[in-house]
Amino acid sequence: GQQLNQSPQSMFIQEGEDVSMNCTSSSIFNTWLWYKQDPGEGPVLLIALYKAGELTSNGRLTAQFGITRKDSFLNISASIPSDVGIYFCAGTGTASKLTFGTGTRLQVTL
Amino acid sequence: SAVISQKPSRDICQRGTSLTIQCQVDSQVTMMFWYRQQPGQSLTLIATANQGSEATYESGFVIDKFPISRPNLTFSTLTVSNMSPEDSSIYLCSVESGRGYTFGSGTRLTVV
Repeated sequence: GQQLNQSPQSMFIQEGEDVSMNCTSSSIFNTWLWYKQDPGEGPVLLIALYKAGELTSNGRLTAQFGITRKDSFLNISASIPSDVGIYFCAGTGTASKLTFGTGTRLQVTL
Repeated sequence: SAVISQKPSRDICQRGTSLTIQCQVDSQVTMMFWYRQQPGQSLTLIATANQGSEATYESGFVIDKFPISRPNLTFSTLTVSNMSPEDSSIYLCSVESGRGYTFGSGTRLTVV
């Protein structure tokens, strides 16, 4: 089946720093989504991407749908303590079901 | 986007017993999805539930272990049957809504 490789696995950064994480796949995806999960909660959608090459921002977050349709990245600028959590990429291929990446655990220090 | 109510939020169960998790959506949806998130892991799709037909299970998941009901377009249940400690996970339901997929807050299950 389809698999998404997400990196880095974890990040420890200082408040105010920029963050970058990415996802790659061995197969083509038609949709890329980025989620954040806080402890005890379900994932919350941050950004949705639907076209190859699409670059979308949501506040301090920016994500891009790779031209090859096999990758995506998420950038967070000027990180703040509430950015702490686990970030997941997810994608849909030919079927309307999500495949999730392995997750990036973000820790922000003051 | 849709709002999902999932319950229970957490439970501690004895091995060999079963637990039924409920998922209520505030709007009618065609498909509802059930996921499992094992400790420290990502989310894995268990099955897709359509109203009026049997659920479609992913590889590695079977109906006898995870029976699903979908009586109408706003509600679904997932039962974790004959539980063992290996079933300790977070179980989440999800629906496609707007520009993405919305998730419930999850059911944290601990089997002792």
